[in-house]
Amino acid sequence: EAGVTQFPSHSVIEKGQTVTLRCDPISGHDNLYWYRRVMGKEIKFLLHFVKESKQDESGMPNNRFLAERTGGTYSTLKVQPAELEDSGVYFCASSQLAPREAEQFFGPGTRLTVL
Amino acid sequence: AQSVTQLGSHVSVSEGALVLLRCNYSSSVPPYLFWYVQYPNQGLQLLLKYTSAATLVKGINGFEAEFKKSETSFHLTKPSAHMSDAAEYFCAVSEKGKLIFGQGTELSVKP
Repeated sequence: EAGVTQFPSHSVIEKGQTVTLRCDPISGHDNLYWYRRVMGKEIKFLLHFVKESKQDESGMPNNRFLAERTGGTYSTLKVQPAELEDSGVYFCASSQLAPREAEQFFGPGTRLTVL
Repeated sequence: AQSVTQLGSHVSVSEGALVLLRCNYSSSVPPYLFWYVQYPNQGLQLLLKYTSAATLVKGINGFEAEFKKSETSFHLTKPSAHMSDAAEYFCAVSEKGKLIFGQGTELSVKP
């Protein structure tokens, strides 16, 4: 069974440009999460999808970030326009169930560098 | 709001020595706690989780953790470190399905 995949693995862009990150969850997992780790800081929650609906987007830093999950399968996270402070590693995770004790399966992350 | 604190951003042990990675949590409700490990260039992998069934939780690769409510702790241990244990370890608490992480602890294992 394929795990969570993320594309690209690395992205280097200039301030003001747009970047789109993609996450493919494990097949059949209705719950999809985005997290971010800024260098030297802890991993922080961004948002949670249940199928195609946003269940919780309390961690999204500002309106430059737009997440979508059309059809309830893969998800994209767009940053437009990118700022220096957006640099970090963006992780996607998925789970079959969303109770508090459910294991979340993580992808390898996308390392975003904004110059 | 719940929170997690991991004491020590870097821990170094010798091969064969005890591994102890510390995690303290803050929660107003009975917590669900997790330890994840990240090997270089890989995603986070679940080591073990506490969901109130038993206070001593055994995980993969010989790791275990003990939930101590009185100390609000969930420390991770392994009796004998192996070179392959070198990685970054994350303690996390679940809050309404989302994970709240500690700062992470980088474990180095010396030969």
